[in-house]
Amino acid sequence: QKEVEQDPGPLSVPEGAIVSLNCTYSNSAFQYFMWYRQYSRKGPELLMYTYSSGNKEDGRFTAQVDKSSKYISLFIRDSQPSDSATYLCAMSEDKIIFGKGTRLHILP
Amino acid sequence: DAGVTQSPTHLIKTRGQQVTLRCSPKSGHDTVSWYQQALGQGPQFIFQYYEEEERQRGNFPDRFSGHQFPNYSSELNVNALLLGDSALYLCASSLSDSQETQYFGPGTRLLVL
Repeated sequence: QKEVEQDPGPLSVPEGAIVSLNCTYSNSAFQYFMWYRQYSRKGPELLMYTYSSGNKEDGRFTAQVDKSSKYISLFIRDSQPSDSATYLCAMSEDKIIFGKGTRLHILP
Repeated sequence: DAGVTQSPTHLIKTRGQQVTLRCSPKSGHDTVSWYQQALGQGPQFIFQYYEEEERQRGNFPDRFSGHQFPNYSSELNVNALLLGDSALYLCASSLSDSQETQYFGPGTRLLVL
């Protein structure tokens, strides 16, 4: 079992829809949980990070961590075509481990 | 304020050659991490440098080595290149006590023929 599992997609949703992106993990020692956005041929950009369990909101983005289920989510409200990118979950105990990324397409 | 910069942007090498990639961290950051991102995969941690020393290392062979300079900039060296080393190499910088907030550069795309 891989340490971090993430569905690669692609995920296509209409503009304005709520997007739900998810990752599962196996290492219960992970403490920090991050979401990155990566546009084609660019480096990843940190969107949000959460320490331990709970929710965190930033504008249209909400991150959730459920440590009991080893499951994290990123919700995007009022999705825009500019949100089309690959979304990477990442988590760390000492080193940072990334998921494979989910390709998201927002259809105008 | 300049973010993380990397050079070169693209590089083509042949098997067996050696390559050096360079990274300048975001202003104020003292820690540099290097990642390898193969096509369709997430970044994989190679190693991290802090105070000019390798602090952590991922599961990469000794052909991968690095260096950090007093101004916090860093180099990644790869010897005896293999076809499988073709990837996007990413540099990320952070403060030593805030590794959850790493800022990535645009990457160097390496093609090994």
